Amino acid sequence: GNSVTQMEGPVTLSEEAFLTINCTYTATGYPSLFWYVQYPGEGLQLLLKATKADDKGSNKGFEATYRKETTSFHLEKGSVQVSDSAVYFCALSAASGGSYIPTFGRGTSLIVHP
Amino acid sequence: GAGVSQSPSNKVTEKGKDVELRCDPISGHTALYWYRQSLGQGLEFLIYFQGNSAPDKSGLPSDRFSAERTGGSVSTLTIQRTQQEDSAVYLCASSFSRDRGPLITEAFFGQGTRLTVV
Repeated sequence: GNSVTQMEGPVTLSEEAFLTINCTYTATGYPSLFWYVQYPGEGLQLLLKATKADDKGSNKGFEATYRKETTSFHLEKGSVQVSDSAVYFCALSAASGGSYIPTFGRGTSLIVHP
Repeated sequence: GAGVSQSPSNKVTEKGKDVELRCDPISGHTALYWYRQSLGQGLEFLIYFQGNSAPDKSGLPSDRFSAERTGGSVSTLTIQRTQQEDSAVYLCASSFSRDRGPLITEAFFGQGTRLTVV
């Protein structure tokens, strides 16, 4: 079946530090890949996405590149801010028994200190 | 409405009681998903509706859980004879998707219903 594995948190960084959150996946067929973010007290919202190999999704200074050869979609940001503190979910959408149902990782909590 | 709306936002119920959770998706979205988010866990898929097709119920954890979607719009998730392990945040999401085709566009999530079974 389809699955997503992402690094466990919490990840604690100082403001302006470099961020990497690792995400690897297993999927049948050719998945689309997503990162969602959940800010405190809010619902999940899409951060970025990529739909084919070597595509780079980017938004709000975050980037992730679809690496088919390593089945990875790592999230990066060059300089984090306190406002980036949130839980980040890696997700994929691929065929599973005839349906395309988004599969999510467990989430990685990011805490950014001033 | 502008987004996915879920109600109630919080629900406390006694063990053994039935509960109904409601989801109002974005107008025009053909796909609707229910997930469960437990503390420290990821999003656990429960059920998927796509247009007029039969729902994919493969994620429902037991026969105490059921869901329906009326008129291709509003959905209700029902949990019968609630147990303490049912305590979680129940999330609904909708998207525009071709018939059981790949999700290219994003899924839009509601704020969730926090269910506490005491």
